[in-house]
Amino acid sequence: NAGVTQTPKFRVLKTGQSMTLLCAQDMNHEYMYWYRQDPGMGLRLIHYSVGEGTTAKGEVPDGYNVSRLKKQNFLLGLESAAPSQTSVYFCASSYTPSTGLQNSNQPQHFGDGTRLSIL
Amino acid sequence: GNSVTQMEGPVTLSEEAFLTINCTYTATGYPSLFWYVQYPGEGLQLLLKATKADDKGSNKGFEATYRKETTSFHLEKGSVQVSDSAVYFCALTVYGGSQGNLIFGKGTKLSVKP
Repeated sequence: NAGVTQTPKFRVLKTGQSMTLLCAQDMNHEYMYWYRQDPGMGLRLIHYSVGEGTTAKGEVPDGYNVSRLKKQNFLLGLESAAPSQTSVYFCASSYTPSTGLQNSNQPQHFGDGTRLSIL
Repeated sequence: GNSVTQMEGPVTLSEEAFLTINCTYTATGYPSLFWYVQYPGEGLQLLLKATKADDKGSNKGFEATYRKETTSFHLEKGSVQVSDSAVYFCALTVYGGSQGNLIFGKGTKLSVKP
């Protein structure tokens, strides 16, 4: 009963290094999202995907890239890490958008987060 | 635009005290409203939701009523427990938005003392 799994859970990088965060879901969800959580800021959407092979920018996309080559996986990449990207990153997924429609009002399921520190 | 404003914490209560966490929103269109809870070291879990005006969401003793006239969705619990210590996020999403993403408030940290 895995749900949404994020790897790694913790990582420390040096400025300029690159890395990829992996999100995997086993619920056959169409929609997947990457958020970052910063103190006093709540969660902000970085990128999202409405299905395999599609990605789109969210509220704070700069410095990040994403890929959705397989339906169950959503990768978040940092090409050249910066200290401003120190944050906790959360992946989420849902069948459909969490809209007001009665039959599509599915909540988003979240992973446990990846704590990333950039020195 | 769409936004959520919730009371800033931290909120510290004694066990069995009454809890209210205020949340107000602005939205274009017809939002659905949610409360998520984040326990230490974990991701967010849906606590309750309401999809139209005057709906009441409830779960685990928590309640919130969708008030369109005051654009509010305040979270309440009559008697909190130590196990309720967590960060609570109010959120909304708007029908018709292609993203379907949630717009979150900044979170309110609740600490319950025995």
